[in-house]
Amino acid sequence: TQLLEQSPQFLSIQEGENLTVYCNSSSVFSSLQWYRQEPGEGPVLLVTVVTGGEVKKLKRLTFQFGDARKDSSLHITAAQPGDTGLYLCAGVASGTYKYIFGTGTRLKVLA
Amino acid sequence: KAGVTQTPRYLIKTRGQQVTLSCSPISGHRSVSWYQQTPGQGLQFLFEYFSETQRNKGNFPGRFSGRQFSNSRSEMNVSTLELGDSALYLCASSLRGDTQYFGPGTRLLVL
Repeated sequence: TQLLEQSPQFLSIQEGENLTVYCNSSSVFSSLQWYRQEPGEGPVLLVTVVTGGEVKKLKRLTFQFGDARKDSSLHITAAQPGDTGLYLCAGVASGTYKYIFGTGTRLKVLA
Repeated sequence: KAGVTQTPRYLIKTRGQQVTLSCSPISGHRSVSWYQQTPGQGLQFLFEYFSETQRNKGNFPGRFSGRQFSNSRSEMNVSTLELGDSALYLCASSLRGDTQYFGPGTRLLVL
């Protein structure tokens, strides 16, 4: 059973467009992390969200943790080709000790 | 602080052989996790070691094994290689098993 579902699975947009990626679960998470991975490399940590309702900004990226700590979103403003990659959410569901990854969103930004 | 290092970066083996991959975590991190990533299956959890003990295990056959040394360095071994074992193998270190910091990966090709 996949505890973290991401949507959309694939996204291809033009440079300058905005987009939102969703990470949803029926389980509560003490924290969630977002990573970006480029082909042939390991995922790179972008942010950790901990508090329900928390919003964090990283330049053009805005991350939000749901009030109930069951979901999160990543919004990119004015996407650039350098944003291209695989975006993964991840965390440890309450009551478990396993760190799990979401299904992933593959983003391609066209120049 | 030095990041997670993995060696070797690239490896070519033939079916039936065995392979050992190495991972050095970030200094002070006691948790090391291993993942297999393939285009079709995404990021699959292999196992996690914490203070030399395997703490979590994914759904992989017994041909996949690992260990962690007293200095937190970890190795994973795959015996009797199969074509389907061709993948990017990622190691990640963590302080407690939550936020993961990934190495660059070892790309294994089995011929």
